[in-house]
Amino acid sequence: ETGVTQTPRHLVMGMTNKKSLKCEQHLGHNAMYWYKQSAKKPLELMFVYNFKEQTENNSVPSRFSPECPNSSHLFLHLHTLQPEDSALYLCASSQERRFRGGYTFGSGTRLTVV
Amino acid sequence: DQQVKQNSPSLSVQEGRISILNCDYTNSMFDYFLWYKKYPAEGPTFLISISSIKDKNEDGRFTVFLNKSAKHLSLHIVPSQPGDSAVYFCAASARETSGSRLTFGEGTQLTVNP
Repeated sequence: ETGVTQTPRHLVMGMTNKKSLKCEQHLGHNAMYWYKQSAKKPLELMFVYNFKEQTENNSVPSRFSPECPNSSHLFLHLHTLQPEDSALYLCASSQERRFRGGYTFGSGTRLTVV
Repeated sequence: DQQVKQNSPSLSVQEGRISILNCDYTNSMFDYFLWYKKYPAEGPTFLISISSIKDKNEDGRFTVFLNKSAKHLSLHIVPSQPGDSAVYFCAASARETSGSRLTFGEGTQLTVNP
């Protein structure tokens, strides 16, 4: 399998639930990202990992907790979310030193918080 | 402060005509610009890019123009086809200072009518 794979594609969770989003890339990239896309807003960068190390946390609330166990896998752990956290969550990867094509995105997880 | 702006949320054109999507930026450190296309229920896919040392880059039906003095870039699609109907995101990076980190615009929904 190639590309960036995100699971699940859709998720409905209550405000007291704990869930995790998973992202996997088979492109040999060394950087991975979580983005949030809300309606009519720009894609918002949440977290950046380079070589498994978190290099950026874009003032994201602590109810979102990323984990990068290796350079191919990225998780976003969710707990006590709010309805306004409902959005499309996109994972992306890139090769840090060969950036011509930018990022490769997954298809996203459509999250609904009820 | 939004550093990349796409002021037109939507654009509608007839099949065979030219589509012009616009993007403005404020950060003079940006030196690499990209366009992504996004279909519903899919992640954004890379379309075309341009370095700040150029003012034009062409790839088949797609051409990106960069006007550094105006901090403006545009994507031209000619001839437009119904399959081009999608949301188009403009993105920019400042590779010297921020590496591969991308800043996105809000997106423009293009509809190509048969």
